[in-house]
Amino acid sequence: AQSVTQLGSHVSVSEGALVLLRCNYSSSVPPYLFWYVQYPNQGLQLLLKYTSAATLVKGINGFEAEFKKSETSFHLTKPSAHMSDAAEYFCAVRGRDDKIIFGKGTRLHILP
Amino acid sequence: KAGVTQTPRYLIKTRGQQVTLSCSPISGHRSVSWYQQTPGQGLQFLFEYFSETQRNKGNFPGRFSGRQFSNSRSEMNVSTLELGDSALYLCASSETGVTNEKLFFGSGTQLSVL
Repeated sequence: AQSVTQLGSHVSVSEGALVLLRCNYSSSVPPYLFWYVQYPNQGLQLLLKYTSAATLVKGINGFEAEFKKSETSFHLTKPSAHMSDAAEYFCAVRGRDDKIIFGKGTRLHILP
Repeated sequence: KAGVTQTPRYLIKTRGQQVTLSCSPISGHRSVSWYQQTPGQGLQFLFEYFSETQRNKGNFPGRFSGRQFSNSRSEMNVSTLELGDSALYLCASSETGVTNEKLFFGSGTQLSVL
């Protein structure tokens, strides 16, 4: 069965600093991995997805994630944080049974 | 195209009652899935419908049920409400629901059970 672990329920970074949100997964191969973002009082929006075409995936709003099979990780990064990045971020995995499993989420705080 | 629409936006019920939530997917999308979001458990998959058939189901009791109509609109029903059912219920749609397809989420229905 697949599972997702997001390290850190809250992460704070200064504006302009690197954003790193961690995600480790457990899944049968090949996993389909996703990062979604949720702004206050809204549903989730897809940031990016990994589907085995390339290990480094670029998404919207300057975010990217790298799939590392040896570490079973799919961490989300952004070189320079912006105030508008403050939101909750969810990593998700979808396995062969087609069920999508979400991590518990990481709330990103941007400090001025 | 209009996005995924969920109604109502807020709902207050008492224990023992039942509730029906509605979801209208993006035009042309045939897959609709439902999720429960709570601060403690995060997002949990409830079920997925495709072309009026339930294609997948999460680990929720039988009090949680759903259906999909021929126009792809979906409803979710919760009977005999419990305090623990208080949550944000999110609906998502996609064109065919295949594994790597992007999901489009609605803004959710916030259910409070008193």
